Amino acid sequence: DVKVTQSSRYLVKRTGEKVFLECVQDMDHENMFWYRQDPGLGLRLIYFSYDVKMKEKGDIPEGYSVSREKKERFSLILESASTNQTSMYLCALGGDTNNQPQHFGDGTRLSIL
Amino acid sequence: GENVEQHPSTLSVQEGDSAVIKCTYSDSASNYFPWYKQELGKGPQLIIDIRSNVGEKKDQRIAVTLNKTAKHFSLHITETQPEDSAVYFCAASMGTNAGKSTFGDGTTLTVKP
Repeated sequence: DVKVTQSSRYLVKRTGEKVFLECVQDMDHENMFWYRQDPGLGLRLIYFSYDVKMKEKGDIPEGYSVSREKKERFSLILESASTNQTSMYLCALGGDTNNQPQHFGDGTRLSIL
Repeated sequence: GENVEQHPSTLSVQEGDSAVIKCTYSDSASNYFPWYKQELGKGPQLIIDIRSNVGEKKDQRIAVTLNKTAKHFSLHITETQPEDSAVYFCAASMGTNAGKSTFGDGTTLTVKP
């Protein structure tokens, strides 16, 4: 079974803090994704990575950055957290080839106070 | 870029009835269409997918149909059960760009006993 582990289920941070969300996979796949999920807005892609140290912007990258130093770990960074970044964040792992489903972690519910 | 529209946003059915969720996509280059189910507190999980060389696919009570000409695809759940209650997402992918998918906004399905 594919395992995608997000380090925290719930996180509370303060405005202006630097926040790290971690995601770890156990499948040695190249493609990893970060989404945010808000009611009525579906899943919006923030960033994705197709290899170590490789990253591409998704649809809503503003205010976020990512790091992929090792294949198994993909981190989402909020450089200076703001209240409008309060959301559910989902990490996903792509298949070992394209045209395969994504495997999601269970999400991190982040609150910025 | 690709745009995926999903309807309805909420759907309530009686146990045993059928449920249908519809999605349209904009880019004719899309060729992979997965459906995900998200239960409370969990990440989305694949329930069925279809590729553009197939018009219909069935797995027990779940079926997906694809009309490439009209650029729409639908999820059909027959004999619904309370455990089918969840949020359902459709997605479209072109099989390029690290397998990036564009998601619909989701449908909250409630099955009343």
